[in-house]
Amino acid sequence: NAGVTQTPKFRVLKTGQSMTLQCAQDMNHEYMYWYRQDPGMGLRLIHYSVGEGTTAKGEVPDGYNVSRLKKQNFLLGLESAAPSQTSVYFCASRLVRGGRANTQYFGPGTRLTVL
Amino acid sequence: GQNIDQPTEMTATEGAIVQINCTYQTSGFNGLFWYQQHAGEAPTFLSYNVLDGLEEKGRFSSFLSRSKGYSYLLLKELQMKDSASYLCAVRDGDSSYKLIFGSGTRLLVRP
Repeated sequence: NAGVTQTPKFRVLKTGQSMTLQCAQDMNHEYMYWYRQDPGMGLRLIHYSVGEGTTAKGEVPDGYNVSRLKKQNFLLGLESAAPSQTSVYFCASRLVRGGRANTQYFGPGTRLTVL
Repeated sequence: GQNIDQPTEMTATEGAIVQINCTYQTSGFNGLFWYQQHAGEAPTFLSYNVLDGLEEKGRFSSFLSRSKGYSYLLLKELQMKDSASYLCAVRDGDSSYKLIFGSGTRLLVRP
């Protein structure tokens, strides 16, 4: 049981380049999330998904797109990277049922630098 | 608007007790979470409160007062490995899918 995995761990892009960040979970969780974390600003929600084939915008969605074609995978795309997208990106997943199962489980993060 | 406030940094001594406060103003409320995040790592779950009162789990306890929009995380018998950031997050009652995170409190434990 690997939990939540993310690839790549590190990436350096030039302005205008595109890339896809990959996230996979093997816990059969319904909900999945993409966050970015910047110094002094905490975790901010980019996009989320409440089930296979569904996605929704979070707090800071501009410049990003997502897809959830399979329940276990959630992809985050940057079509034309900008320096303002330099950040650490975390993927998370969560069970639907209530109680302690409500906690989100986070992947190890992807450190992205846009030059 | 949605707002969660935590102190930016705190320092404490090994073996001591430290309390990290969190105040929130959100449009709805459906539970409050505390996460621990070591530098360069992912956040990991510490505690969950949805009713008023104290939840104790080993050296860590978390308290919630919904009427005051206030929570704290209490760490006892501090160890060097407790040096980390502690994130307060509120489940927005308007949308139970989402968490709203505070900026986190960086705790430094000194010998």
